[in-house]
Amino acid sequence: EADIYQTPRYLVIGTGKKITLECSQTMGHDKMYWYQQDPGMELHLIHYSYGVNSTEKGDLSSESTVSRIRTEHFPLTLESARPSHTSQYLCASSATGDSPLHFGNGTRLTVT
Amino acid sequence: DQQVKQNSPSLSVQEGRISILNCDYTNSMFDYFLWYKKYPAEGPTFLISISSIKDKNEDGRFTVFLNKSAKHLSLHIVPSQPGDSAVYFCAARRKGAQKLVFGQGTRLTINP
Repeated sequence: EADIYQTPRYLVIGTGKKITLECSQTMGHDKMYWYQQDPGMELHLIHYSYGVNSTEKGDLSSESTVSRIRTEHFPLTLESARPSHTSQYLCASSATGDSPLHFGNGTRLTVT
Repeated sequence: DQQVKQNSPSLSVQEGRISILNCDYTNSMFDYFLWYKKYPAEGPTFLISISSIKDKNEDGRFTVFLNKSAKHLSLHIVPSQPGDSAVYFCAARRKGAQKLVFGQGTRLTINP
């Protein structure tokens, strides 16, 4: 079974704070993704990476940034959080483009 | 423009009966379809997939049917069990692309 970890699970912060959501996987997958999901809505791809030093923006515009310095690590950073960033953030990885995605348990972010 | 649609936000089924979850898509370039299951406070987990060269794929209690002419797929769960209560997401991938497009999800409740 897939091992992909996200921390923190829950985060409540004030407007203007800088935050980093962590995502790590132990499977050596090259491909990693960040999705954003609001209740009752579809998952929207906000960032993806096909390998070290490779990052791309997804279909949904996001003010967040990502980095991929190591294969196993794909952190997402918000420089200045706003209430509109309140959402669930899901990290995923896959071995190849044809493989199903394996998701972490998500980070539920609330910005007050 | 939402390319993958799950028009039923919720579905309630009696234990032991068949659950049928539906999904429609608009992009004829989609050639691979997946179903994910999501429990509260967890990430989605892969359930079953189907390639556009098939019209049916079965795995235990789960069967996915694809009707390409109608751009419609469905997930059948039989018999339904209380542990099947979750949100089910339909997802699709365009040929040659590696990104998934998700529907909004259907919350399935299995009643004892």
